[in-house]
Amino acid sequence: DAKTTQPPSMDCAEGRAANLPCNHSTISGNEYVYWYRQIHSQGPQYIIHGLKNNETNEMASLIITEDRKSSTLILPHATLRDTAVYYCIGETGANNLFFGTGTRLTVIP
Amino acid sequence: SAVISQKPSRDICQRGTSLTIQCQVDSQVTMMFWYRQQPGQSLTLIATANQGSEATYESGFVIDKFPISRPNLTFSTLTVSNMSPEDSSIYLCSAAWGPVGGYTFGSGTRLTVV
Repeated sequence: DAKTTQPPSMDCAEGRAANLPCNHSTISGNEYVYWYRQIHSQGPQYIIHGLKNNETNEMASLIITEDRKSSTLILPHATLRDTAVYYCIGETGANNLFFGTGTRLTVIP
Repeated sequence: SAVISQKPSRDICQRGTSLTIQCQVDSQVTMMFWYRQQPGQSLTLIATANQGSEATYESGFVIDKFPISRPNLTFSTLTVSNMSPEDSSIYLCSAAWGPVGGYTFGSGTRLTVV
């Protein structure tokens, strides 16, 4: 299984960029890195995923290092509604997702 | 992306009884999964619901305790059997489509066993 390591918590000022790091040194060459977030009392919400190249969508950007051992999720302009637990996940190869403990991001007014 | 309806959203159940949770997807999907999230914890995969065959359970989860049905490509149920207070958790349904697709989650069922 592709295990991931994330800091347990981070703070970010509202309007600033939130950069959430993730280490996934055991990820295999064909495993994607997914990012999800879970706002309190809701099911996880898909944010973005990538394999090798950097990715960007309307929610965030994903920067993956060339050796694929780590990645960073960037929320360009954090809002209070971005306060959530963010999960960096390696697909296990059976099309299921292994959730680690995630990073609790708190956006501060 | 697919939309998942999960019900009930919450329930309080007596010890020793069973509860069946339903998961309905608005489109056909290849893979469906059931997760458990204990209070203050991350999500743990219970099983993969396979259409037309028995579910594939993760270590620590057994069919007698968590029987799963998947009669078609849009629907699945999870039953929590012979419940005890330790089964109090949020149970989440998830669906994936394609070899590399998005994964959508239901809003979860918050189960309290008393």
